[in-house]
Formats: sequence, structure tokens, C-alpha cells
Amino acid sequence: AQTVTQSQPEMSVQEAETVTLSCTYDTSENNYYLFWYKQPPSRQMILVIRQEAYKQQNATENRFSVNFQKAAKSFSLKISDSQLGDTAMYFCAFMKHSIYGGSQGNLIFGKGTKLSVKP
Amino acid sequence: KAGVTQTPRYLIKTRGQQVTLSCSPISGHRSVSWYQQTPGQGLQFLFEYFSETQRNKGNFPGRFSGRQFSNSRSEMNVSTLELGDSALYLCASSPTLDRRANVLTFGAGSRLTVL
Repeated sequence: AQTVTQSQPEMSVQEAETVTLSCTYDTSENNYYLFWYKQPPSRQMILVIRQEAYKQQNATENRFSVNFQKAAKSFSLKISDSQLGDTAMYFCAFMKHSIYGGSQGNLIFGKGTKLSVKP
Repeated sequence: KAGVTQTPRYLIKTRGQQVTLSCSPISGHRSVSWYQQTPGQGLQFLFEYFSETQRNKGNFPGRFSGRQFSNSRSEMNVSTLELGDSALYLCASSPTLDRRANVLTFGAGSRLTVL
């Protein structure tokens, strides 16, 4: 069975600074996907960034980037130039590749890291 | 393009009752999955439907069930409610057979309180 571990329950960062959220996972699968989702207070979960395990290049989305270390089973999220709107719960998630060629909807989530961006 | 719509947003039930939650996916999305979110257990996968068929199921008791209709709308039902069923129930949809097929879009959730 796959597991996802986020070792930092809470973090804080000053506005405009950089912060890194950690995530490790355990799996025997070779083909899978990793995600970071963000859940702002009382608002819905949205995708931050996605990484396909077969790609060695780290994914980036504007101020968000990941450090994907497949051998170490590590998948950290770096947020640059932090903004007040980045305050949220951040969830690391794993999905194994589907034999159906699409989504099986079975995301395995970590417990989350509560990030507070301070002015 | 409308997002994932979940109804009702809030509801209060008492132990022993049953509840039905509804989810309308993004137009064109045929895969719908459900998650339970609680402070103690975090986010846990309930089940996933595609073309009216349950393709995948999490580790929940039989009191939790779901179905999907021909228009891809989905419902989940919890019977004989227990206090521990109090949670935010999230629905997510995803496209199929394209490069973003594994990207889930979540609804705002249905917050269930069991008294």
C-alpha cells in the first residue's frame, strides 16, 4: 500500500520570502503521479502542481516548483515570493498510474501542512 | 465553465438517520470520486465512478454507498449515521483519456454534522 507523509504540521513564512514544504512517500509502483493541492480556509481544494514520475524534470508553475527525487521518494514544494493568498493547508498526494489510461480518482493524501504567510 | 457542484453544502442529521449527498461534475468529465475529510483521519478516498460503474473503492463500511447516473452526476449515501461520520465530504471530477485525466477538480464539499 502507498503512504504519503508530510512531516511539518505547521509552517509560517514572511511575505515575499521563500518556503519549502516537505513530502515523502512510499510505493512499489514505478509509474505514478504526485500532486500538491492547496485548501485555503473555508474554500475548496485546488491543484497547485503535478509531477509525472517518469519525467525527471521538476515541474514548475509560476512561483511554485517541486524538487522530485524519485530514488529517495521525496517530493517537496517550494513557494517563492510568498503572498498572503498562499495561506492555506497544503496536501501532498499520490496517484498510481491507471490501467484505464485515465484517472481512477484514488488520490492518497498526506495529513497536510498548514502554511501561514505573515505580512 | 461551471465547476464541480455539491449539494447540500451543510446539513445536520441525528444518529441512525441516513443522508444523500449530490455531486454534479464539470461538463464532459465522466469520472467522479468521493473523499471524506476529518480532522483526525485527514482525507480518505471513498469510491470512484466512471460511466455509471464503480471502478475503485476505499476502505469504508458498507453503510457508505454511491452511484452515478448517465449524465455523470453522482450521489453518495450514508445509512445508519454514526457520530464519527461527521465530516466534510468532497466530490471531485476528472476528464478521461487525455493528458490531464489524473487531475482532479474538487467541489466545495458537503459538511455533515451528526448529532
